[in-house]
Amino acid sequence: EAQVTQNPRYLITVTGKKLTVTCSQNMNHEYMSWYRQDPGLGLRQIYYSMNVEVTDKGDVPEGYKVSRKEKRNFPLILESPSPNQTSLYFCASSRRAGTGASYEQYFGPGTRLTVT
Amino acid sequence: RKEVEQDPGPFNVPEGATVAFNCTYSNSASQSFFWYRQDCRKEPKLLMSVYSSGNEDGRFTAQLNRASQYISLLIRDSKLSDSATYLCVVNSPTSGTYKYIFGTGTRLKVLA
Repeated sequence: EAQVTQNPRYLITVTGKKLTVTCSQNMNHEYMSWYRQDPGLGLRQIYYSMNVEVTDKGDVPEGYKVSRKEKRNFPLILESPSPNQTSLYFCASSRRAGTGASYEQYFGPGTRLTVT
Repeated sequence: RKEVEQDPGPFNVPEGATVAFNCTYSNSASQSFFWYRQDCRKEPKLLMSVYSSGNEDGRFTAQLNRASQYISLLIRDSKLSDSATYLCVVNSPTSGTYKYIFGTGTRLKVLA
């Protein structure tokens, strides 16, 4: 089954304790992206990756890191989480991006993060 | 002005009603357009892409108006199961590449 998986689905942590949210897709997609969703603000892009070893900042990258060592995986790293990073996080992938073509994005189930 | 704007709603409609949402975008060079559906606290899922000529999928019709820079979604014969948030997504050129820009969503409640 074609899918995007994220782990963990729920996480409660404390300020400053490094954490990683994993994302994996089995569709051989080139493009992967991380979003956060907050009430009233919609989905905002954190980082994206056009392909292996190619990553770039989205609209809200501060406090996050990513890596793309393999095509299927795109982990999101919070080196020192803070309460303002409490949010619902989605990973997404698509065949390609960076062009105007209509490629559907497939989303993972989301990770609900609470930082106290 | 936001790059992609939607009326947040909620739109409360009775079962069987026809309801329409609009979404405006600011970048006239935008190339592709989508409607996604998101159920509460779940991941967004593609409802339909929006083509220049307009397209229909069952009870759902999507249209694009490039001159006025908006897309629309029409839902006929609303079902209780249509209750969700509908996200408008526009693929727009930004800093030499194209990026997906999301609207904040329009919430629909279909009432029995």
